[in-house]
Amino acid sequence: DIQMTQSPSTLSASVGDRVTITCRASQSISGWLAWYQQKPGKAPKLLIYDASSLESGVPSRFSGSGSGTEFTLTISSLQPDDFATYYCQLYNSYPTWTFGQGTKVEIK
Amino acid sequence: EVQLVQSGAEVKKPGESLKISCKGSGYSFTNYWIGWVRQMPGKGLEWMGIIYPGDSDTRYSPSFQGQVTISADKSISTAYLQWSSLKASDTAMYYCARHSGSSSGTDYWGQGTLVTVSS
Repeated sequence: DIQMTQSPSTLSASVGDRVTITCRASQSISGWLAWYQQKPGKAPKLLIYDASSLESGVPSRFSGSGSGTEFTLTISSLQPDDFATYYCQLYNSYPTWTFGQGTKVEIK
Repeated sequence: EVQLVQSGAEVKKPGESLKISCKGSGYSFTNYWIGWVRQMPGKGLEWMGIIYPGDSDTRYSPSFQGQVTISADKSISTAYLQWSSLKASDTAMYYCARHSGSSSGTDYWGQGTLVTVSS
C-alpha cells in the first residue's frame, strides 16, 4: 500500500507569511491528490483536487502543485482564518483513499 | 444545494451494535460514491470504506475490513455504517463524504457523528 507522509507535522507562522506543506508518497501515485483544511469540531473542507485544481469558492491564496511522489500545498499570504490542520489525500478511480497524517498550522 | 446529513451522536456500551446514517440531498444520490472516514479524538483522518449506492458496489480499507459494514438504501438516499459489536476503541467522530470517482474528488462532507463507547 502507498503511504502518504506530510511534513512538517506542525508549523508555526505569522499572518502574511508564505506557507508550504509537503506530502510525499512512498511510491509514484496512480491516481490524484487532494488537500483539505479542517478546523476543530468541523468536517474537512476540500481546497485543492487533482493536485493543482482550486475548488470553487476557495481563496486564490491557496495553490497546489506536484506530481509523481511529491506534492505541495502553498498558502501565499497566511490569513487569520487559515490557522487549521491540513491533510493531503491520495484517491483513485477504484476508488480507494489514503490520507496523510496532517499538518497543524499554528500562530507564531 | 448538496447536503449530507448524518444521524446524531450515540453513546453505547462495549458489545452493543450500532448503525449510523448519512442522508444525501440536492444531487443524484445513485451517481456518486459515499465514503466513510474515522477520526479518533485528537488524531487524523482514516479512510474506512466506500459504497456506490447505484449498485451497492463496496470497497473497504484493509484496516476496517470485517470490523464494520457499509450499506446504502438508494430509495431513501441514505448510506449506513454499522458495527455488530462495539469496542471502546471505536470511540471517534465518523464522517461521510461524497466522492465522484474521478479527478474531482471528495467535495461534500457530512457534519460528523460522534460515537462514544464506554461501560
